[in-house]
Amino acid sequence: SQQGEEDPQALSIQEGENATMNCSYKTSINNLQWYRQNSGRGLVHLILIRSNEREKHSGRLRVTLDTSKKSSSLLITASRAADTASYFCATFAANAGGTSYGKLTFGQGTILTVHP
Amino acid sequence: DAGVIQSPRHEVTEMGQEVTLRCKPISGHNSLFWYRQTMMRGLELLIYFNNNVPIDDSGMPEDRFSAKMPNASFSTLKIQPSEPRDSAVYFCASSDPGQGARSSYNEQFFGPGTRLTVL
Repeated sequence: SQQGEEDPQALSIQEGENATMNCSYKTSINNLQWYRQNSGRGLVHLILIRSNEREKHSGRLRVTLDTSKKSSSLLITASRAADTASYFCATFAANAGGTSYGKLTFGQGTILTVHP
Repeated sequence: DAGVIQSPRHEVTEMGQEVTLRCKPISGHNSLFWYRQTMMRGLELLIYFNNNVPIDDSGMPEDRFSAKMPNASFSTLKIQPSEPRDSAVYFCASSDPGQGARSSYNEQFFGPGTRLTVL
C-alpha cells in the first residue's frame, strides 16, 4: 500500500449529513494536507495540519491528525450537493538537508457524492 | 493572480509524435511540480523543481519523458516519442516553500491540467 491511503474509496450521503474520510500514511511527515478535485478540474487545497497539531478547523471542515497512528481524518459537516467531488490527502516531507521545500505524496482519493 | 496556467488544455496526437506541455507557475512561487493522473494509477508526481533546478525526477517514467525549467516563469514537459499508454491528464502545480514560520507549509496550487490522448 502507498503513502496517504484514503478510506473509504467512495462515500454516498444525503445533503445535510456529515461526511468523514480517513487517511493513513507510513513515513514521517512535516504536514498533511487535504485537497479537493471536481470532475475534470485541477486539485484545490482545502486545509493543512502540521505534524505538531492535532486538530484544525476551517468553516465546515474539521481535520484531525494522530501521528502515533499515522492517520488523519477529514470531516465535512452539514454536507451540500456542491461538496460532491474527490478528496485527497497528501503528506508533505521536506527534502533532506533541512530545506524548506519538498514534495507531496497523494493517496488514491475518496469519491464523495452528496445527494440533494 | 491568474493562477497556474497550462497549455494546451487538450492535445490529441498520434503514436510516435512529439508532445510538449507548457506551464506558467504563480509569480513568486519557486517550486514547480509535474503530475500525471490516470484512473489506474491515480496522481503520480513525475518531477519537481526548486529555483528552476530539478530536485527529484524519480517519477519520470522513462527516457521518453523530459522536463525543463529555463526560468522562474516557464516549464515544459516533453514526451518523445509518445505512446498510447501516455494518455492521461497532466497537471502542473506550484508552491512557495516560504521562510521561517511558513517554511513547513508548502501547499500547492494546481493548474487546470492538459488532457493528452495518444492514438
